[in-house]
Amino acid sequence: QVQLVESGGGVVQPGRSLRLSCAGSGFTFSSYGMHWVRQAPGKGLEWVIFISYDGSERFYAESVKGRFTVSRDNSKNTVYLQMSSLRTDDTAVYFCANSATVTTSLDYWGQGTLVTVSS
Amino acid sequence: QSVLTQPPSVSGALGQRVTISCTGSRSNIGSAYDVHWYQQLPGTAPKLLMFVNSLRASGVPDRFSGSKSGTSASLAITGLQAEDEADYYCQSYDSSLNGVVFGGGTKLTVL
Repeated sequence: QVQLVESGGGVVQPGRSLRLSCAGSGFTFSSYGMHWVRQAPGKGLEWVIFISYDGSERFYAESVKGRFTVSRDNSKNTVYLQMSSLRTDDTAVYFCANSATVTTSLDYWGQGTLVTVSS
Repeated sequence: QSVLTQPPSVSGALGQRVTISCTGSRSNIGSAYDVHWYQQLPGTAPKLLMFVNSLRASGVPDRFSGSKSGTSASLAITGLQAEDEADYYCQSYDSSLNGVVFGGGTKLTVL
């Protein structure tokens, strides 16, 4: 069965950096694009970033452009979210999800990892 | 303010029918981008419910149905059950933003 497992969350001070990982299994990882979606406490879903199956295309939400980057290592079935210049409003649970392309549905989701930005 | 607009909450009695609307614009739903729906049970990750406007994801009962027309979409749930109580989100792609957009979410309460 498809599994997506996020890791790397934690408490970080404003202005610092953090890298999240998402490991996939149970599907052909190298054939799927990957999204990161976040959810602030008590709030709705906010799309963050997408990387295509081969890493050739990346799409960013305006709120994270210039601060967050995404990469993937298909040999490790893992996608990474590098977050820098973190702000308190980046505090959220971060989910990864797989998707054929940027316009198709987010088919499977991980359980999420909590990032808390606080001094 | 979300790009896709959903009612914050809806409610219905056991066995009744409810609908959740999702209103977009010409740069997303109105540009023929598909609408997808997700169900998020309390304390869990979202799960794909409907894709390509009206197709049910694997394992989703036929009590759930979706439709799309113009710049709007809707999710209908018939024969409401207690386990349907959850948050529901619509999602599409926006060509002006060059990115994925979600609705603000609708909390369904089963009375």
